[in-house]
Amino acid sequence: DTGVSQNPRHKITKRGQNVTFRCDPISEHNRLYWYRQTLGQGPEFLTYFQNEAQLEKSRLLSDRFSAERPKGSFSTLEIQRTEQGDSAMYLCASSLRASGGVLGNEQFFGPGTRLTVL
Amino acid sequence: GQNIDQPTEMTATEGAIVQINCTYQTSGFNGLFWYQQHAGEAPTFLSYNVLDGLEEKGRFSSFLSRSKGYSYLLLKELQMKDSASYLCAVGDDKIIFGKGTRLHILP
Repeated sequence: DTGVSQNPRHKITKRGQNVTFRCDPISEHNRLYWYRQTLGQGPEFLTYFQNEAQLEKSRLLSDRFSAERPKGSFSTLEIQRTEQGDSAMYLCASSLRASGGVLGNEQFFGPGTRLTVL
Repeated sequence: GQNIDQPTEMTATEGAIVQINCTYQTSGFNGLFWYQQHAGEAPTFLSYNVLDGLEEKGRFSSFLSRSKGYSYLLLKELQMKDSASYLCAVGDDKIIFGKGTRLHILP
C-alpha cells in the first residue's frame, strides 16, 4: 500500500454512459497524475496537477475526458459518452515536488481503477 | 517527441543475474526512472538516474549514459518474486513510460 487510494477499483459500464473515478493522493503530495494503461503497454500519461492547477493535458486525450483537483487534495477523472476503446486501467500517482528541487520526481501509484465498457 | 525502447520479454534463472536494457530518444531529458510492476498491480519505484553512471540499491542497480541515450537495470541474485514487468521511463514533471519488459524467472 503506497498511501494512494483510488475508487472504485472496478467499473463496468455500457457504451455511451458517463463514469467518474476518484483518486486520493498521499496527503502532503502537491503533484497528482493520471495515467491509462492497457494490457502489454506501459502507463500512458493523461494529465497532471500541481496543487489545484492542471499543468498539462495529453494531446491524445479527447474532449470527453476531464479531470479536476478542486482543493488541491483529491482528484476526479470523468469520461463522458464512454466508448469501448476507453476500456483500460486508470492509474493515479502522486509525488512531492519541492520548489527548485533537483531531486527525482518519484511517483507513488495507486492500485488503479479497471474500466470495462460493454 | 519521445521514444523508449526495451525488450518485450526476457527469461532468467533463479539466483542468476539479468540486465534489462533501455534506449530512449527525447526532445529534452531530465532523468530516467525504472519501475517494477507485478501482474495486476500498480507500478512501484525502483530507481532514478539523472547523471551518468551506476546507481546501486541492494540487488538492483541502474546505469545511465546520457550521450548514448541508454540505460540498463541490473538484477542480481534473482528470486522468483522478481518475476514482473520492468518499466523504463524518462522525464521529470511528466514521465513517459516504455512498454515494459516482462521478466520470467525459472526455478
